[in-house]
Formats: sequence, structure tokens, C-alpha cells
Amino acid sequence: DAKTTQPPSMDCAEGRAANLPCNHSTISGNEYVYWYRQIHSQGPQYIIHGLKNNETNEMASLIITEDRKSSTLILPHATLRDTAVYYCIVRANTGTASKLTFGTGTRLQVTL
Amino acid sequence: KAGVTQTPRYLIKTRGQQVTLSCSPISGHRSVSWYQQTPGQGLQFLFEYFSETQRNKGNFPGRFSGRQFSNSRSEMNVSTLELGDSALYLCASSLVGLTPNEQFFGPGTRLTVL
Repeated sequence: DAKTTQPPSMDCAEGRAANLPCNHSTISGNEYVYWYRQIHSQGPQYIIHGLKNNETNEMASLIITEDRKSSTLILPHATLRDTAVYYCIVRANTGTASKLTFGTGTRLQVTL
Repeated sequence: KAGVTQTPRYLIKTRGQQVTLSCSPISGHRSVSWYQQTPGQGLQFLFEYFSETQRNKGNFPGRFSGRQFSNSRSEMNVSTLELGDSALYLCASSLVGLTPNEQFFGPGTRLTVL
């Protein structure tokens, strides 16, 4: 699986959009971009994933650049409960195998 | 639908002992993966079970083992515990299909080795 690079920490004011970048310059054609987050002392929570098109769900939007070498997770209106460590993971479509390789993630602090 | 459950939530053991952790996946999920989380190493993949067979394994010593039952529930065992095995152990379940699916994590079991 390709390696990802994320900033170690970011701050965001409550109610504003949080834009979390991820670099995955060695991504292969069959690798998906996944985002998970982990709120303190809880298990990681799935947010969203995509291959090459932008994706949106009730939690967030995922913007993947045309060359697929980087992506941005957007939380449109951050709240205090969005304070967490956000992990960007690149995973190959290996059929049914489920291994996730976590990096160090970005610690997002949402403030009043 | 109930989420992934793990028991026990907290555990204290001493060096040299062995421990068994349990994970019940979401109903209908047949894949169960285990992860270890420590402050120094972060989240690391231990192994994955599907249809009672281990089909993927991380880089951990043989003291770490697991199994899956016919109802998809899974257990992991750590023998001859070391201080460095103190960690949060997370279990995740997922559906199995032709494309990667999201994994649903349980709350974890926090193991302390004294």
C-alpha cells in the first residue's frame, strides 16, 4: 500500500470548514483513498473513501486531485465533537483483504 | 444494528501470563481484523480472519495468535506477556465484497501488563 503524508496537527474554529490535506504521491491506479478518524479513547471511525472522483456523504467531502497524488478531506461545518486524529489511508483493491495501514494522522483541534 | 463489541474493556495482567480477548462483529460481517495501538508505534495491523481462516497477518511474533468461530466471533490470544504488550487492542469487522469496504471498529480492550 502507498505511503501517505499528513500534517501532524491543525486548528479550526467551530462552524468553519476544516480542510485536511493528504499527500499520496506514490499511489497506484487500483488504490483507494480512505479517511478514518479516532476520537480520544475510542476505536477509529470510517468517514469516506474514493478512487478518483470526488465523493460526498453526510459526514464529509473528499476531493482527489486529477493526478490522484493528493487529496483533501473537508468537514464543512466543524464542531467541537470533530476534534480527533484524522487518518488518510491508501489501500489497494486486493479483492477481499481488509488490512489498513495507519500512519500518524493529523490531530484536528476544533476551538470555540 | 448493534456495533462491534469487545470484551473485556480493561484488563490487567503480569509478565509471563497469557490473555484472551474477544470480539463480536456486526451481524452479517464475516471479516474480523485485529489491531494494536500504542503511543510509540501507533495503530498496527495484527491479523485478519475470514470464514474461520487467517488470510492476512501483520509483523508480530508468534506469541500473538487468533481464531474465528463459525458465527464470525473472533478471539485473539497473547502468550508469555511482556511489558511492551501493554496497548489498546482494537477489533474491526467488515462486509466482504469485490471492492474494499469500510471497517467498523469496536471500542477496544485496554491491556496493561505489570
